[in-house]
This record gives sequence, structure tokens and C-alpha cells, in this order.
Amino acid sequence: QSVLTQPPSVSGAPGQRVTISCTGSSSNIGAGYDVHWYQQLPGTAPKLLIYGNSNRPSGVPDRFSGSKSGTSASLAITGLQAEDEADYYCQSYDSSLSALFGGGTKLTVL
Amino acid sequence: EVQLVESGGGLVQPGGSLRLSCAASGFTFSSYEMNWVRQAPGKGLEWVSYISSSGSTIYYADSVKGRFTISRDNAKNSLYLQMNSLRAEDTAVYYCARVSGSYLDDAFDIWGQGTMVTVSS
Repeated sequence: QSVLTQPPSVSGAPGQRVTISCTGSSSNIGAGYDVHWYQQLPGTAPKLLIYGNSNRPSGVPDRFSGSKSGTSASLAITGLQAEDEADYYCQSYDSSLSALFGGGTKLTVL
Repeated sequence: EVQLVESGGGLVQPGGSLRLSCAASGFTFSSYEMNWVRQAPGKGLEWVSYISSSGSTIYYADSVKGRFTISRDNAKNSLYLQMNSLRAEDTAVYYCARVSGSYLDDAFDIWGQGTMVTVSS
């Protein structure tokens, strides 16, 4: 069981908006560590999607956005497209000197 | 092109050993902190180990502490993971990943394609 909790799955129709939550605790997200998000398409390596809670690397569409508040973070995807169907992982750090990943959320585009 | 390429995976018996390598190219390897991350079949991502740019600071996940050793050779632009006393639960795709900045909680911005390790008799 992951220390960072994500919903196992979310779904939405093309064009809709979906959000994925990532809930931690006072020893990780709540301690002020940044949250990052990764997209993993089937059969491929993870790709950095959002860094530093809300920043997009070059090339990532502005349909993807991130936020953080207290002990939680969220990834929002607007204007859902078929190619967004993938697994999404949040990642942060813990005061026990370890990087942490959420359990992952499978996004299905209906 | 900035690239990480893992190698060294394969089939090994329980209790055996394996050494993974990660070859870096397209950037100044010696300036970046690095990590190993694994993913068991059908499961999520699990952080395994971290090494600072100089190799002087190292961290491990509790699940591999005492069995795995991370190291790097900056002259060869390479990262390594020595895995001993392997167990069935170590079966996974192993990725090397670059840390984007100089802060401990910076993102993993570059990932290799992964190398599969299977522990089975």
C-alpha cells in the first residue's frame, strides 16, 4: 500500500475535465516537499508531466495542470483526448529520506 | 539527445545476484543526481535508490536495504545497481531516472526505457 494515495481509476468522455487526487501526510506533502506527476502510456517508461506542484515541462500541453494544498495535490486534465488514456502517478518525498510514488491512477477515456 | 539506456536485466534464481547498468548520454552526467525506480508486472512505480552527483550520498528503500548497492562512475557516464540475495518480489522492470535539479525533492525528468529482472527458479 502506497504512502501517497491515489484513486485506482478515473474516467471521462472526450472534451471533459477530470481530476486525480494524491493524498499524503505531514511527513511528506504536508512537510513542504514538492509534488510531481508522471504519465505512463502502455508499455512505455514514465514521462514527467508536472513538476514542482504546478509547472509543465516544455512540450506538455496546457490542458494538464497541477496544484497542491496542505497534505494533498491534484492533477487536472481538461479537454480530454483519447491519447490521454494512460496511468498517472504522483511523486513526492518523505522526511525519512525516501522518494515516494502514489499507487497510480488509470485514466480511461470513454 | 539526452538519453538513459539500461542493461543487465535477465532471469536469475532466488538468492542470486545481478548487476544493472545505466548509460547516460547527451548531458553532463557528473552534474546530476540519479535514482533507480522499479515496477513489478501490472503494479505501480516503486522508488529503489538514490545517489548524489558525486556518489557521496546514497539512500535506499527499506525493501532493498542491505541487499542492493547503487554506485556510479562519472568518468564512464554510468550508473549501476548491484542486486544481491534476490527474491521473487524483486521481479520488475528497473528504470534509471535523472533528478532534474539540485534539490532532494526535485522531479525525475529523464527516464530510461527500463530493463526487466525476473527472479524465479
